[in-house]
Amino acid sequence: DAKTTQPPSMDCAEGRAANLPCNHSTISGNEYVYWYRQIHSQGPQYIIHGLKNNETNEMASLIITEDRKSSTLILPHATLRDTAVYYCIVRVSGNTPLVFGKGTRLSVIA
Amino acid sequence: NAGVTQTPKFRVLKTGQSMTLLCAQDMNHEYMYWYRQDPGMGLRLIHYSVGEGTTAKGEVPDGYNVSRLKKQNFLLGLESAAPSQTSVYFCASSYTLRDSHGNTEAFFGQGTRLTVV
Repeated sequence: DAKTTQPPSMDCAEGRAANLPCNHSTISGNEYVYWYRQIHSQGPQYIIHGLKNNETNEMASLIITEDRKSSTLILPHATLRDTAVYYCIVRVSGNTPLVFGKGTRLSVIA
Repeated sequence: NAGVTQTPKFRVLKTGQSMTLLCAQDMNHEYMYWYRQDPGMGLRLIHYSVGEGTTAKGEVPDGYNVSRLKKQNFLLGLESAAPSQTSVYFCASSYTLRDSHGNTEAFFGQGTRLTVV
């Protein structure tokens, strides 16, 4: 699976959009971009995933660049409960285990 | 529907003791995984299973054994615990690509905090 690069930490004001970047310049054509988050040592939680089109669900939006070498997870209106470590993972969908990096620690500030 | 349940939630072992961590899922998932997470680190894959009766090594398999005798259960064993195995252990499960109907997310348990003294 391709490697990902994320900033170690970010801050965001409560109520504002949180934009979390991820670089995956070696991604292959059959690899998906997955995002998970881990709130305070709980088990990781799935957020969203995509292949090449932008995706949106009730939790977040995923914007993937046209060349697929980077992506951005957007939490449109961050709340204090969104404070967590966010992991960007690239994998062939469904048939390979998730390989976690160190992620981005997002702190939402009141 | 309990999802993924890990037993026990906390345990303290003495060096050299053995123990088994149990992971149970009720979602009929084929795939199951064991990860460990050390302070300030991401999760590292220990072993995984792609179906009943199968197991495979992950990134950090040494010192651990696993078994998948029933589809819903995945056991992680420590035969002779060492202080380096002090960690938080997470179990997860997911559908196979064939059975996923597009839903390939992994579901995680709440973790087992193990301390080896």
